[in-house]
Amino acid sequence: KAGVTQTPRYLIKTRGQQVTLSCSPISGHRSVSWYQQTPGQGLQFLFEYFSETQRNKGNFPGRFSGRQFSNSRSEMNVSTLELGDSALYLCASSLSAGWTYEQYFGPGTRLTVT
Amino acid sequence: AQSVAQPEDQVNVAEGNPLTVKCTYSVSGNPYLFWYVQYPNRGLQFLLKYITGDNLVKGSYGFEAEFNKSQTSFHLKKPSALVSDSALYFCAVNYGNMLTFGGGTRLMVKP
Repeated sequence: KAGVTQTPRYLIKTRGQQVTLSCSPISGHRSVSWYQQTPGQGLQFLFEYFSETQRNKGNFPGRFSGRQFSNSRSEMNVSTLELGDSALYLCASSLSAGWTYEQYFGPGTRLTVT
Repeated sequence: AQSVAQPEDQVNVAEGNPLTVKCTYSVSGNPYLFWYVQYPNRGLQFLLKYITGDNLVKGSYGFEAEFNKSQTSFHLKKPSALVSDSALYFCAVNYGNMLTFGGGTRLMVKP
C-alpha cells in the first residue's frame, strides 16, 4: 500500500507570494491533518479535514487555509507569505476522524520564504 | 489550555542499556497521549498511544510507555537501546479539538 505523498517536496517562494501544497492520503483514509514544523516553534497542528469538511483548526492566522476533495486528497494554501512561514509542512492521514486513529505522516514539504 | 512538556532536549544512552524519554502533560479530564519518532529527513512515525485501559502501553520497535495519571506523565521506555533508535522523539496530547506536541527530545544511542 502506498504511503502518504506530498508535493512538492521542496519549494522556494518570495515574501508576499502565495503557495499551495498538496497531500495524497493512503488509499481508504478519509481524514487528513496538516502540521507545521519549525526549529523555534516545534510541531504545531494546523487543521484537520474529514469528508471535505474542516473539523479542527489550530492557532494560525487566516492566511493559512485548506480544503479536501471528494477523493480525500487535500491542499493547503498560505497567502501573503512571510519569512516566518519557512518551515517543514507535514501532512498525515488516518482512517477516520478523531485522534484515536493512528496517523500516518508524509515526508513533508520544505518551504523556504526569501 | 492543554500543554505537554519534554524536559530533556537530548538523552544520551549506551547501546544495550535501558532508555527513558520523559513527557509530562497538563490537561483537565482524560487525555489521549501519543509518542512519535522522526528520523532525519523523514516525516513522523507513530510509536504508540494511550486512550484508556492498561496504564502500560506497548508499541512499535520494542518501545513502551507508562501512563501515570497522578504524576501526569507518559514516559517512553525501552529495555535495551539500539544505535538505530537514535532519532527525534515527540510526545503529543489530545483533548477536545487540539493535538499538542512537546518540543521533542533527541535520543543519541552510542555503540
